[in-house]
Amino acid sequence: NAGVTQTPKFQVLKTGQSMTLQCAQDMNHNSMYWYRQDPGMGLRLIYYSASEGTTDKGEVPNGYNVSRLNKREFSLRLESAAPSQTSVYFCASSELVPLTYEQYFGPGTRLTVT
Amino acid sequence: AQTVTQSQPEMSVQEAETVTLSCTYDTSESDYYLFWYKQPPSRQMILVIRQEAYKQQNATENRFSVNFQKAAKSFSLKISDSQLGDAAMYFCASETSGSRLTFGEGTQLTVNP
Repeated sequence: NAGVTQTPKFQVLKTGQSMTLQCAQDMNHNSMYWYRQDPGMGLRLIYYSASEGTTDKGEVPNGYNVSRLNKREFSLRLESAAPSQTSVYFCASSELVPLTYEQYFGPGTRLTVT
Repeated sequence: AQTVTQSQPEMSVQEAETVTLSCTYDTSESDYYLFWYKQPPSRQMILVIRQEAYKQQNATENRFSVNFQKAAKSFSLKISDSQLGDAAMYFCASETSGSRLTFGEGTQLTVNP
């Protein structure tokens, strides 16, 4: 099993450009998440999807949109990139079973907006 | 909103010694989970240990153990017999409703040979 995969690993954008970060998991998990990590800070939740067909805002959703394409895939879109969105982005997935609860993380995407 | 605070931005320990990383949290939930994640230079987030709040017994995983003080809302991580491979950024996290995680700012751990 590959676990959680993210593409691309690195990306440089100019201000105003758009792009989509892709995430896929092969663990049959119901829940998926997008986080961003800025220097000196922990991960902050952007959006999450508790199950296929549902999405909800997290702590820092402004400037982002998400799509839960199917149970496996959860994409994050930046419609008009800004320098403040320079960050490392992590996707994660988990199963909504409390006794076995654990979030599994992808390797991250380092995004730079100039 | 939930908050998680790690008051030690950096810590260092000698190889084979013991180190304790601090974490405090604030939650209105009656039942919740707490976690410690490790992030080595590869950036991969790795779960180290988890604690279920309704369990009074402190969780242990090999050389890693926690001191969970529910009334004080404190959740520290003890690493025994520290190894060079333990060097990493460590994040404390609490579970919010809907299985969302709130992370602390992190503690950078250096292990000196």
